[in-house]
Amino acid sequence: NAGVTQTPKFQVLKTGQSMTLQCAQDMNHEYMSWYRQDPGMGLRLIHYSVGAGITDQGEVPNGYNVSRSTTEDFPLRLLSAAPSQTSVYFCASSPRGLSYEQYFGPGTRLTVT
Amino acid sequence: AQSVTQPDIHITVSEGASLELRCNYSYGATPYLFWYVQSPGQGLQLLLKYFSGDTLVQGIKGFEAEFKRSQSSFNLRKPSVHWSDAAEYFCALGDGQNFVFGPGTRLSVLP
Repeated sequence: NAGVTQTPKFQVLKTGQSMTLQCAQDMNHEYMSWYRQDPGMGLRLIHYSVGAGITDQGEVPNGYNVSRSTTEDFPLRLLSAAPSQTSVYFCASSPRGLSYEQYFGPGTRLTVT
Repeated sequence: AQSVTQPDIHITVSEGASLELRCNYSYGATPYLFWYVQSPGQGLQLLLKYFSGDTLVQGIKGFEAEFKRSQSSFNLRKPSVHWSDAAEYFCALGDGQNFVFGPGTRLSVLP
């Protein structure tokens, strides 16, 4: 199993550009989530999904969109990138739920200039 | 609201020394508690978890953690640190609806 995969590993955007961060898992987990990691703040939940077709907002959802058309994929869209979205983004999946152990991808480092 | 604090931003220990990383939480009931490790440029790896039962939990790589309800703490320990343990360590809490991380503690290991 590849586990949780994320693409790209690195990305540089200009302010106002849009892009999609890809996330896929091959463990047949129902629960998937997106976090951003900023220095001194740990990881903060952006959006999560409890199954295909069902998504909800986390702690810091503004400026991001998600959809879940399949169990495997959970892309994160930045609609109009801002410098405040410069961060490292992690996708995670869980077999049991948002409160249980999460399995993380390797991350995407995004810089917005 | 629930929260997780890790009082130590950065800890330095010598190789072979013992280690204790502190974690305190704020939550009205008994939460699910986790410790993760993140090596530079890598994702997060689960070290151990506590759901209920025995308050001393064993994890991977020789780590253990003890849940103390009276102190709202879940400290991570290792009896003898190896150079490869240098990384960032995150304590996290699950409350039934959310998953909250602490700010992390960076561990440096001196040869």
